[in-house]
Amino acid sequence: EVQLVESGGALVQPGGSPRLSCAASGFTFSNYAMYWVRQAPGKGLEWLSYISGGVGSTYYADSVRGRFTISRDNSRNTLYLQMNSLRAEDTAVYYCAKENSYGGYLDYWGQGTLVTVSS
Amino acid sequence: DIQLTQSPSFLSASVGDRVTITCRASQDISTYLAWYQQKPGKAPKLLIYATSTLQSGVPSRFSGSGSGTEFTLTISSLQPEDFATYYCQQLNTYPHTFGQGTKLEIK
Repeated sequence: EVQLVESGGALVQPGGSPRLSCAASGFTFSNYAMYWVRQAPGKGLEWLSYISGGVGSTYYADSVRGRFTISRDNSRNTLYLQMNSLRAEDTAVYYCAKENSYGGYLDYWGQGTLVTVSS
Repeated sequence: DIQLTQSPSFLSASVGDRVTITCRASQDISTYLAWYQQKPGKAPKLLIYATSTLQSGVPSRFSGSGSGTEFTLTISSLQPEDFATYYCQQLNTYPHTFGQGTKLEIK
């Protein structure tokens, strides 16, 4: 059974730098690209970042490029999102998601982890 | 970035109704479109990918169609568990943007 479990969400001060983790199980982690998507309270979904399965090619939304870094450790079956220079508008539930075998479509999601940016 | 506009944003319907949600892209995305369902407090669930391919385990009352810039999600006969928010997502170009969502409520 595929499972994705996020952790690392917290109350963070503006300018803070938390790191989110997503522990994966139930599939061959290194074979699949992974993604981060967020959802601000009461708002819609926002696609944030992508990392390929093997060599680790990455892409970011403009809203986080230069502040957030996606990475993965295939030996630990874990995806990461390093978040820097946080702002109030980064307050959201952060989801990790796995692509399906067709490519890019998000067939499994974690339960989400809440990051609240406030002083 | 490619913009996706869903219509309507809110939809009120009854059990048994046939409903259609439209997603329009700001430029041609071929058939690189997915639909997701999200219930309150839960992660989104993939319903349809590549415009019209039903994800495993999704009931056949859900269907998708379209190409280019206009796409539709149809639920042929609404069931109580279908009341949720629906999002389209394009995968033609990074970033893989989402539509703003359509909230489907019980009439």
